[in-house]
Amino acid sequence: KAGVTQTPRYLIKTRGQQVTLSCSPISGHRSVSWYQQTPGQGLQFLFEYFSETQRNKGNFPGRFSGRQFSNSRSEMNVSTLELGDSALYLCASSYPGQANYGYTFGSGTRLTVV
Amino acid sequence: GENVGLHLPTLSVQEGDNSIINCAYSNSASDYFIWYKQESGKGPQFIIDIRSNMDKRQGQRVTVLLNKTVKHLSLQIAATQPGDSAVYFCADGEETSGSRLTFGEGTQLTVNP
Repeated sequence: KAGVTQTPRYLIKTRGQQVTLSCSPISGHRSVSWYQQTPGQGLQFLFEYFSETQRNKGNFPGRFSGRQFSNSRSEMNVSTLELGDSALYLCASSYPGQANYGYTFGSGTRLTVV
Repeated sequence: GENVGLHLPTLSVQEGDNSIINCAYSNSASDYFIWYKQESGKGPQFIIDIRSNMDKRQGQRVTVLLNKTVKHLSLQIAATQPGDSAVYFCADGEETSGSRLTFGEGTQLTVNP
């Protein structure tokens, strides 16, 4: 079966712009979580969506937002980009919404802010 | 290739040796723990997990040990192969927190042929 698909794979944006990243979960998975990965901070949880509702949120500013559609696909948006937002953004999906049940990561979107 | 107890950002071993990668966690309420492998250009890949009511679990060539007293987790890889070269992360989560995981610092494992 197809894995978790993230698009685009690479993105270059300018400070102050906004960006939207997309994540298509494994078919049948209803939970999608987003993580930011940087060399300095490691992997940090952004938020989780389950059945179109945000169920968990990490400690990120309001510039980071997300949503989930009825087909479980999810998007995350970052507004007013800062240099420090440069990172690998990963999404992961699972069926019942717990990470120890088939949690699968995508390959990520590499965002560079210049 | 063994570094018992101490987390190291890098670990270099010879092919065929056993590797031990250590991790510390802070949340005493965590219900489960997962080890991930991340290769360059890819997302983390599940290796093995363990629930908080266990102290050891074995998989194919891998063993995870959990010490809740000192909040320590280790991953043992037997007969390490060049294909095992990657960054390894531990992560923990709570049943009541959905899919939220807290990741530890990674360890870059390099296997020398």
